[in-house]
Amino acid sequence: NAGVMQNPRHLVRRRGQEARLRCSPMKGHSHVYWYRQLPEEGLKFMVYLQKENIIDESGMPKERFSAEFPKEGPSILRIQQVVRGDSAAYFCASSPGENTGELFFGEGSRLTVL
Amino acid sequence: AQSVSQHNHHVILSEAASLELGCNYSYGGTVNLFWYVQYPGQHLQLLLKYFSGDPLVKGIKGFEAEFIKSKFSFNLRKPSVQWSDTAEYFCAVNQWRSYIPTFGRGTSLIVHP
Repeated sequence: NAGVMQNPRHLVRRRGQEARLRCSPMKGHSHVYWYRQLPEEGLKFMVYLQKENIIDESGMPKERFSAEFPKEGPSILRIQQVVRGDSAAYFCASSPGENTGELFFGEGSRLTVL
Repeated sequence: AQSVSQHNHHVILSEAASLELGCNYSYGGTVNLFWYVQYPGQHLQLLLKYFSGDPLVKGIKGFEAEFIKSKFSFNLRKPSVQWSDTAEYFCAVNQWRSYIPTFGRGTSLIVHP
């Protein structure tokens, strides 16, 4: 599914730096989700956003992580002062907002923290 | 909180073998159910879904899944796997009228030619 675009695909950061991951949803989709995938742990929900609104951020760590989905432009997941434990694949998904639970995923951004 | 369990974390099969991957969930109300597949280096893509109706659902590439409400299960099956089925398989459950599906841990399937 080439509809959900994520970039960068791979990002390397040193401890203490900032990481910004971007996601453009499928055309016509107004709902964006971020999931984190750690080895042997599957997909963990982080945050659910609509345009200009954070709807549910119950899966986001309380510190250093933030997300936004502005009126114009992609959704951004921002990780400040990265630590080695932040190394993971971060997947963005979008939906048209019909609350069926069906999501359309991007190819993911793999963050490596040195 | 709702949880989704995939009991088989790693499965190794030979081509032409039959496949069944288990998925159980904890929520007792109405649910929508999904299986996603993630081929190596690719994004997750929908394999099949169940919203209502016939509990035996057929998806792409010869996969099917059966919803058994009494067992809170949605197991994935394929009668004869191929090498190209090597991938990670995720079960997901969405509570009725929820916007946030819960995913299982995933099952890594390796099919030897």
